[in-house]
Amino acid sequence: DGGITQSPKYLFRKEGQNVTLSCEQNLNHDAMYWYRQDPGQGLRLIYYSQIVNDFQKGDIAEGYSVSREKKESFPLTVTSAQKNPTAFYLCASSQSGLNTDTQYFGPGTRLTVL
Amino acid sequence: QQQVKQSPQSLIVQKGGISIINCAYENTAFDYFPWYQQFPGKGPALLIAIRPDVSEKKEGRFTISFNKSAKQFSLHIMDSQPGDSATYFCAAKSNFGNEKLTFGTGTRLTIIP
Repeated sequence: DGGITQSPKYLFRKEGQNVTLSCEQNLNHDAMYWYRQDPGQGLRLIYYSQIVNDFQKGDIAEGYSVSREKKESFPLTVTSAQKNPTAFYLCASSQSGLNTDTQYFGPGTRLTVL
Repeated sequence: QQQVKQSPQSLIVQKGGISIINCAYENTAFDYFPWYQQFPGKGPALLIAIRPDVSEKKEGRFTISFNKSAKQFSLHIMDSQPGDSATYFCAAKSNFGNEKLTFGTGTRLTIIP
């Protein structure tokens, strides 16, 4: 899992509650990403950050929020506004720049809304 | 908008056979095409990647074939083994602007004895 840790591995949440997923990397990568994975839909980008204190919405940002206060950390908050939050969430990181395209993924967090 | 189309959705191959997964893209600005391998409950891991200046790249039993004019690329797994059973994702990225990867929808590969 390449120096990226995600916690917890499994998370259960009641409807209406916000929950924060942790992502830490020790690869000294500039860029970090959050993806959501649902069966048959591949990986969809939620948010990404190319530098500390800056981040951009991905394809499915509604109902999610992020922060990037430190280079090694990129937590994702799933808010109560996310209508269907049950999914497998993956964090990734990469070094910015040409010829350094590889994204390294963490082990994922499976979120279940009860 | 689905910019990378992957097929088939699932594939069953006999041990020792060749597994072939195909992807097609629309954005001509894409210039980096990786394949990721994912085992159940784990994050994806980079398997092999290609840039459009070559038509084929081989690493061990894994080969990417790239057809720039047809905007298609494929993964071939030679001498498929039960340990290759996993979900495979193709992806594509442009070096213009941001650095987002666009993923295909994945292929669940099962190698049977």
